[in-house]
Amino acid sequence: NAGVTQTPKFQVLKTGQSMTLQCAQDMNHNSMYWYRQDPGMGLRLIYYSASEGTTDKGEVPNGYNVSRLNKREFSLRLESAAPSQTSVYFCASSEREEGNYNEQFFGPGTRLTVL
Amino acid sequence: LAKTTQPISMDSYEGQEVNITCSHNNIATNDYITWYQQFPSQGPRFIIQGYKTKVTNEVASLFIPADRKSSTLSLPRVSLSDTAVYYCLVGDGTDKLIFGTGTRLQVFP
Repeated sequence: NAGVTQTPKFQVLKTGQSMTLQCAQDMNHNSMYWYRQDPGMGLRLIYYSASEGTTDKGEVPNGYNVSRLNKREFSLRLESAAPSQTSVYFCASSEREEGNYNEQFFGPGTRLTVL
Repeated sequence: LAKTTQPISMDSYEGQEVNITCSHNNIATNDYITWYQQFPSQGPRFIIQGYKTKVTNEVASLFIPADRKSSTLSLPRVSLSDTAVYYCLVGDGTDKLIFGTGTRLQVFP
């Protein structure tokens, strides 16, 4: 199993450009997440999806959109990139049982620079 | 959502036991406590999870007092490879999983 995969690994954008970050998991998990991590800082939740067809805002959703394409895939889109969105983006997935949640599995991250 | 507070950083030497405490005063009845480890340029990795009392696995122990307002991650006999950032996460059973600022552990030879 590959676990959680993310593409691309690195990306440089100019201010105002758009792009989509892709994430896929092969563990049949219902829940998926997008986090961003700025240099030297902790992770901040952007959006999450509790199941296929549902998405919800996290702590810092402004400037982003997401799509839960199917159970495996959860994409993050920047419509008009800004320098403040320079960060490392992590995708994660997990499965909950009986009201609690099991461990989150994280992808390797996408390092995004906006000039 | 229960907010967590951890020390910003800790130093230790190889072979010592390290205890990292997380404060979560507003923890709710349904909340579980989970700890993650993160190395530079990698995503976080699950270490241990618990609800009350003590939980132990092959890498760490988690101590949770009766009031559950804090928890302590215990790493026995740390090595240089344990140098990382450790996050305490409290969840309310929903999928809105929010990380705190983490504790940066530096292990010296």
